[in-house]
Amino acid sequence: GESVGLHLPTLSVQEGDNSIINCAYSNSASDYFIWYKQESGKGPQFIIDIRSNMDKRQGQRVTVLLNKTVKHLSLQIAATQPGDSAVYFCAETPVQNSGGSNYKLTFGKGTLLTVNP
Amino acid sequence: NAGVTQTPKFRVLKTGQSMTLLCAQDMNHEYMYWYRQDPGMGLRLIHYSVGEGTTAKGEVPDGYNVSRLKKQNFLLGLESAAPSQTSVYFCASCPRRASWYTGELFFGEGSRLTVL
Repeated sequence: GESVGLHLPTLSVQEGDNSIINCAYSNSASDYFIWYKQESGKGPQFIIDIRSNMDKRQGQRVTVLLNKTVKHLSLQIAATQPGDSAVYFCAETPVQNSGGSNYKLTFGKGTLLTVNP
Repeated sequence: NAGVTQTPKFRVLKTGQSMTLLCAQDMNHEYMYWYRQDPGMGLRLIHYSVGEGTTAKGEVPDGYNVSRLKKQNFLLGLESAAPSQTSVYFCASCPRRASWYTGELFFGEGSRLTVL
């Protein structure tokens, strides 16, 4: 999961295995959560999002699970591929009014996923 | 569409020098953001803008200024660079939506700044 400090949490998996990346968030008012993937030398890219009124959401090969009781978010990647090697960030934002002017995401510190062939 | 373009991609400054990072987006997005990324620290919001002519402070605004004179451009300025501002800077944008539950940010490729 996410942690304070200069060293990223790391996860190393074998190609074809499933990966689970964890994220703990601190703001009880957070209402919306997003996972981003950042490949080396590139900007973050959106993977999947989830609202706080849901506990699970599935995409293509990815599933996000949300446990509001313990303020925990996880990203599951099925059949992990070498192209999945990247840093994964969770991000959160509190509920906003429709069209509100203070839409900001707070990012976690990231987890480095390495996929071994 | 080019998406979000940042210039320059690399820059080396001496302490005390000034510079401006330019972010340009061609998606007609209302909201734009500047983040910095440091090892093990994730992305931290510096300043953001919710529309042309408006800016607001983020989490770590000290030492930076911004301007949004045109909707498509968001400039980040360092008036007197310090070694602590050595970082990778990312610009992002998103459209104003009726609901915030599709709040994907579109990021640029980053600008690596080194202050000696």
